[in-house]
Amino acid sequence: EAQVTQNPRYLITVTGKKLTVTCSQNMNHEYMSWYRQDPGLGLRQIYYSMNVEVTDKGDVPEGYKVSRKEKRNFPLILESPSPNQTSLYFCASSLSGSPYNEQFFGPGTRLTVL
Amino acid sequence: GQQVMQIPQYQHVQEGEDFTTYCNSSTTLSNIQWYKQRPGGHPVFLIQLVKSGEVKKQKRLTFQFGEAKKNSSLHITATQTTDVGTYFCGGFDGSSNTGKLIFGQGTTLQVKP
Repeated sequence: EAQVTQNPRYLITVTGKKLTVTCSQNMNHEYMSWYRQDPGLGLRQIYYSMNVEVTDKGDVPEGYKVSRKEKRNFPLILESPSPNQTSLYFCASSLSGSPYNEQFFGPGTRLTVL
Repeated sequence: GQQVMQIPQYQHVQEGEDFTTYCNSSTTLSNIQWYKQRPGGHPVFLIQLVKSGEVKKQKRLTFQFGEAKKNSSLHITATQTTDVGTYFCGGFDGSSNTGKLIFGQGTTLQVKP
């Protein structure tokens, strides 16, 4: 089944404790991205990757890191999480970086930083 | 930078009433995509509009893309409880060649049976 998977789905952590949220897709998609969703603010793009080893900042990259060493994986790293990073995170992928491809979203990761 | 505004933020309707959400961009868009997120779920692609003035229909849903490619709307005729969810519009900046996708804040639709 074609899908985007994220792990973990739920995470409660404390300020300053490094964490990684994994994202994997099995559709051979070139384009992958991370979003955070907050009430009233909609979906805001954190980072995106047009292909392996190519990453770029989205609208809200501060406090996050990403890497794209393999086509299928695009982990999101929070080196020192803070409470303002408490949010619902979505990973998404599409066939290519062309604007005309639909985005396939993962199930989401709900992160709480205490 | 590019901004996409979506209104209203919330809409409560009685089942059978019509519903419209509007999406406005500060810059010209290459295209506009619409997604639906059911409560507790993830955004799912509905449709894409590319041409200036384009209108597309999916059963009771009608999507429009403005002539200037800076605004769009989604209209639902005779809402049903299955229409409940948050509707997002999103687009790529037509004046740049980045892969940055900007979404609106979303419109959350509640339907009273």
